[in-house]
Amino acid sequence: NAGVMQNPRHLVRRRGQEARLRCSPMKGHSHVYWYRQLPEEGLKFMVYLQKENIIDESGMPKERFSAEFPKEGPSILRIQQVVRGDSAAYFCASSEYNQPQHFGDGTRLSIL
Amino acid sequence: DAKTTQPTSMDCAEGRAANLPCNHSTISGNEYVYWYRQIHSQGPQYIIHGLKNNETNEMASLIITEDRKSSTLILPHATLRDTAVYYCIVRDRGSNYQLIWGAGTKLIIKP
Repeated sequence: NAGVMQNPRHLVRRRGQEARLRCSPMKGHSHVYWYRQLPEEGLKFMVYLQKENIIDESGMPKERFSAEFPKEGPSILRIQQVVRGDSAAYFCASSEYNQPQHFGDGTRLSIL
Repeated sequence: DAKTTQPTSMDCAEGRAANLPCNHSTISGNEYVYWYRQIHSQGPQYIIHGLKNNETNEMASLIITEDRKSSTLILPHATLRDTAVYYCIVRDRGSNYQLIWGAGTKLIIKP
C-alpha cells in the first residue's frame, strides 16, 4: 500500500531542540501539504509545496518553521528551537494536480 | 474560518443509514464540497466530493441540494468502524490547497 508515509509517528523533544518531520507522498503525487492539529480542533493549513518549490506558506509561522520538498527524497518540516506551544499533531497530505488530498497518519510532537 | 456548519455530534444504530448534514450557504459557483473523516489517532481519510450533482462511491453517497447551500453525506449501512469525526469542507478546486477545517460532526455508531 503506497499511501502517504510520515515518520516518526511520535517525536519527543526538549525545549530549544530541533524537530524534523518527514513525509513521503503517494507514488505519482508531486503536491505536498502540511497541516497542524491541536487536541479537539480541526486541522490548520501550514504550507503547500511542489517539487523544489514553496507555493503557499501563509499558514506557517514566520520564525523557526521551514519546509522543503527536494527533487529527491521526502518533504521535511523543520521546527527550530521548539517551545511547548509547538506540541501538536502534524499531518502531511499529497495529491496529484487538482485531485483530492490524501493524508498520512501524522507525527505527534511532544515538547518537554 | 470554515465556510460550513455541521452538528456537533450524532448517533446512529449499527446497520442503519447515517445521514450527516452540512450547511454551506455562502458557497460560490467554483467551490466543491469535500467530505473527510478522522478516526481517533489517525490521519483524515478522504470520502467523497462533488460540485452540484449527487455522487456515489464505494464508501458513501453525497447529496447536494439544487441551490447548493447544503449537502448530506450518507453512509448506507453504518458499522462500528464508521465512528469518527466527519468534516465537510468547501474548496475552490482551482486553489489546490488550504482545506479549511471546522469542528466537524462526531458520529457515534451504537451496537
